[in-house]
Formats: sequence, structure tokens, C-alpha cells
Amino acid sequence: NAGVTQTPKFQVLKTGQSMTLQCAQDMNHNSMYWYRQDPGMGLRLIYYSASEGTTDKGEVPNGYNVSRLNKREFSLRLESAAPSQTSVYFCASSRDREGAEAFFGQGTRLTVV
Amino acid sequence: GEDVEQSLFLSVREGDSSVINCTYTDSSSTYLYWYKQEPGAGLQLLTYIFSNMDMKQDQRLTVLLNKKDKHLSLRIADTQTGDSAIYFCALGGSQGNLIFGKGTKLSVKP
Repeated sequence: NAGVTQTPKFQVLKTGQSMTLQCAQDMNHNSMYWYRQDPGMGLRLIYYSASEGTTDKGEVPNGYNVSRLNKREFSLRLESAAPSQTSVYFCASSRDREGAEAFFGQGTRLTVV
Repeated sequence: GEDVEQSLFLSVREGDSSVINCTYTDSSSTYLYWYKQEPGAGLQLLTYIFSNMDMKQDQRLTVLLNKKDKHLSLRIADTQTGDSAIYFCALGGSQGNLIFGKGTKLSVKP
């Protein structure tokens, strides 16, 4: 009963490096989301995908790209990492778009030096 | 856009009741949620309330919704040290996502 699985759990990058955060869900959910969590800022939406093949920008999309590879997988890519992207990243999924209950992965703690 | 406000910290003694408050600006969300985040973990849904309800009780948890004042609260009865965590209020956003408050860190002292 995996739910939402994120990899990696921890990552350290040098400024300018690129990486992809992976996320997969096994609940047959249509909607998937990427959030970042920063101290004192709560969770902010980076990108979301309402269904396979569609993606849309959230509140803080700059510096990120996403791919909804299929219904299960939604990846987040940092093309040229910056120290401001040091954060904890959470992937989430939900059944539909109407503010339904979201299920979260365990998070990826990313440090950019 | 939607704004969700919470106080950042709450400290209580074990056995006391905890009340975590949340205010919001947009009342169009069908459901309002409380999520719990333990250290180093993701968020887990704790409870939720349908927008046409005033109160929901679930074991030690009581959720109160005052739509007129746009105020949501979570009461935890008989608070235990295992309840120490960050609690997030969340509402449905226009993009189908959830909009979160900044979280209230609950510390329970023995």
C-alpha cells in the first residue's frame, strides 16, 4: 500500500546543476501536484496536473519544469539549480480537481550550495 | 487570491485541550481540511469538514466552522505528547489544489 512515492529523499546540488525529482502514485488519481515547503511559508504550489497529458503553473513555477509521464508519474525538473531552490519538495495526488483530499509523499529535502 | 492565516505556535500541557485556529478569505471551498505533519514526514489528513456543517466530532478531535466569520478551528481533547506536530489548515483552491496556511507548531509538555 505505497500511496505516493517520491525519490530521492535527500539531495545536495551545486548551483547550476540540474536534477529531476520523481513522483509516482498507485491510487489511480487524476490530479497530481508539486509543492515546496519553506520555513514560515507553509506549502506553495509549484505546478499541478489535472490529468494525464496536462500541466499548469501554480504559485511559484519559475525555475521549474514538470512532466506528467502517464497517470501514475509526475516529475519535477530543476534545469539550473539556485540556492533559492533549497527547500523540501512534496508531491501529492488527489482523486479530482474539486479540492478533494490530497495524499502526500514523504518529501525530498533539497539543498543547493 | 485565497489567504489562509494561522498562528505559528501553540504550547500546552499533556492532558489539556489544544485549540488551533484558522481564518480564511475565500469561502467557496466545498471542504475544509486539517493536516498533520510530524517531523521529517509528509502531511497526513487529520480530519475535514463539509462547508455546510458547523461542527464535526471525530474521537478526540472537534472541528468548528463559522462561515460568517470565515473561521475554522481544531480542538484536540486530552492532548498527548504524540500530538506534537505542525498542523495545517487547508482549503480548496481555484486550480483544484489545496491552499495551506503556514502551519501551527503544537508543542505538548509533559
